[in-house]
Amino acid sequence: DAKTTQPPSMDCAEGRAANLPCNHSTISGNEYVYWYRQIHSQGPQYIIHGLKNNETNEMASLIITEDRKSSTLILPHATLRDTAVYYCIVRVLVSGTYKYIFGTGTRLKVLA
Amino acid sequence: DTGVSQDPRHKITKRGQNVTFRCDPISEHNRLYWYRQTLGQGPEFLTYFQNEAQLEKSRLLSDRFSAERPKGSFSTLEIQRTEQGDSAMYLCASSPSTGNEQFFGPGTRLTVL
Repeated sequence: DAKTTQPPSMDCAEGRAANLPCNHSTISGNEYVYWYRQIHSQGPQYIIHGLKNNETNEMASLIITEDRKSSTLILPHATLRDTAVYYCIVRVLVSGTYKYIFGTGTRLKVLA
Repeated sequence: DTGVSQDPRHKITKRGQNVTFRCDPISEHNRLYWYRQTLGQGPEFLTYFQNEAQLEKSRLLSDRFSAERPKGSFSTLEIQRTEQGDSAMYLCASSPSTGNEQFFGPGTRLTVL
């Protein structure tokens, strides 16, 4: 069962910041939040991950609430190439194996 | 290209036939994962290898499915007696032993007629 909930779709104007929310209210203290995106007919591409602190890399920023029940992925200046399905994922440890639990994702459309 | 590769990219088969897919992970990665993704859904975990050992299998992996990684490098996923419900994208991912990130291949899209 998915441990994350995301809005099914969002639009964003090109050049503006895209803020993608994710709820993970049942996350455990040692479970990481990962974000991947999937462009049509390709495999998922890693974006960023975090545990408690906010994170930033060359692609995006990840803001995690203090209670860790939700997070937001921020694409600071969205381009048309950022149109994709964005997955918020909780990485869980089950029987000694780390697993990604994907939800259904948010389909982001960047508009010219 | 030194990323994860999968072959074939597309496979169309008739119900009841057997199919086999191959995944070549990034060379220094000892962890390999298989996922299945149906239309409109996120990928679902199927199985996981550490080197040649298959350490975890999802309940989604019925008896008709078998995966191998004989030398701890490439892996194969075989589906016997395919059914229409097996139609999906089959994704492979790999990761290093100490890393967090999984690197995904482009997937094999299976269509069972």
